Amino acid sequence: NAGVTQTPKFRVLKTGQSMTLLCAQDMNHEYMYWYRQDPGMGLRLIHYSVGEGTTAKGEVPDGYNVSRLKKQNFLLGLESAAPSQTSVYFCATRTGGLLPLHFGNGTRLTVT
Amino acid sequence: EDKVVQSPLSLVVHEGDTVTLNCSYEVTNFRSLLWYKQEKKAPTFLFMLTSSGIEKKSGRLSSILDKKELFSILNITATQTGDSAVYLCAVQGGSQGNLIFGKGTKLSVKP
Repeated sequence: NAGVTQTPKFRVLKTGQSMTLLCAQDMNHEYMYWYRQDPGMGLRLIHYSVGEGTTAKGEVPDGYNVSRLKKQNFLLGLESAAPSQTSVYFCATRTGGLLPLHFGNGTRLTVT
Repeated sequence: EDKVVQSPLSLVVHEGDTVTLNCSYEVTNFRSLLWYKQEKKAPTFLFMLTSSGIEKKSGRLSSILDKKELFSILNITATQTGDSAVYLCAVQGGSQGNLIFGKGTKLSVKP
């Protein structure tokens, strides 16, 4: 029972490159979230999903896209990476209507 | 605009000290307030508070919520070096019912 698994753990991109971050959960949770964490900024919500096939924008969605084709997976895409997207990205999940959030271990992304 | 403000942003204490971390909020449609501890990686859940005046306690950690004054405190007694971490406060609310996080308090406990 792995909980929430994020891949990759680390990645370095050049400006303009694209990549996809994968979040996989085995807890059958309905809700899934992508956050970014920057020094002095706390956790900020990028996009989220309330169930398979649904997505919604959070606080800082620009430059990112997401998909939830399967209930257990939530993908975060960067189509054209920018240095401002250098951050640590966390995926989190929860059951419908109930907290708390369960977090993955994060992906550290550097865009040069 | 919904916001969660934590204070202090950083704190250095010695082992055995007692610390109080603060979290104030202005969030529409308040549902709950949560505390997390973050060491190297993923935040780990500590407490969820929904009712005023009811203390939640786990070992040396305790927390209480004041919904009238819109704040919560997290107390840690007899601190240990293992308590060194960033403590995050988050409030569930807003138009979508998502969690709104504060910037965190970085606690350093010196031996």
